Amino acid sequence: KAGVTQTPRYLIKTRGQQVTLSCSPISGHRSVSWYQQTPGQGLQFLFEYFSETQRNKGNFPGRFSGRQFSNSRSEMNVSTLELGDSALYLCASSFVTGGPTEQYFGPGTRLTVT
Amino acid sequence: AQTVTQSQPEMSVQEAETVTLSCTYDTSESDYYLFWYKQPPSRQMILVIRQEAYKQQNATENRFSVNFQKAAKSFSLKISDSQLGDAAMYFCAYLAQGAQKLVFGQGTRLTINP
Repeated sequence: KAGVTQTPRYLIKTRGQQVTLSCSPISGHRSVSWYQQTPGQGLQFLFEYFSETQRNKGNFPGRFSGRQFSNSRSEMNVSTLELGDSALYLCASSFVTGGPTEQYFGPGTRLTVT
Repeated sequence: AQTVTQSQPEMSVQEAETVTLSCTYDTSESDYYLFWYKQPPSRQMILVIRQEAYKQQNATENRFSVNFQKAAKSFSLKISDSQLGDAAMYFCAYLAQGAQKLVFGQGTRLTINP
């Protein structure tokens, strides 16, 4: 079974621009979560989508948004990029049944904002 | 809010020896899940081991085992017969019952000396 895939793997953007990252979960997984990883703040939860609905949201400004499609693929968008948005963005998928299950991570998208 | 603390920023061990990584967490919940993830230099986050809070028996996966002390809110990872491929950042993570939001510790960088 193929793992979680993320595209693109690397991205360089300029302050003020916007960016869209994509995540394709493991086949059959309906939950997709997004995390931001930085040296200073570590790993922080952005949001989680299940059946095209955002179920949980972390403490990030409204510039960070996401969505999920009917095939469970998810995208996250960051508008008006700031230097501090430079990070590794990880998505994870899980097969949610009656309760929480382990999350499987993709390789990440490395975003650099200049 | 739940928090996870890893008090050892760095650890090193000789190849073939045993090492224990520490993790403590804070929660008021009684049902939850705990995980150890490994992040090698490739940055791919890999699930190492999982523990359900309602299970008294400590989880084991080959050379990896945990010491789960629920009352003390402690969740340490023991790696036996350390191998060069075990070198990575190790993250302890907490997942509340009914949620898909992982809360991570700051990580422990493990070095394996040949």
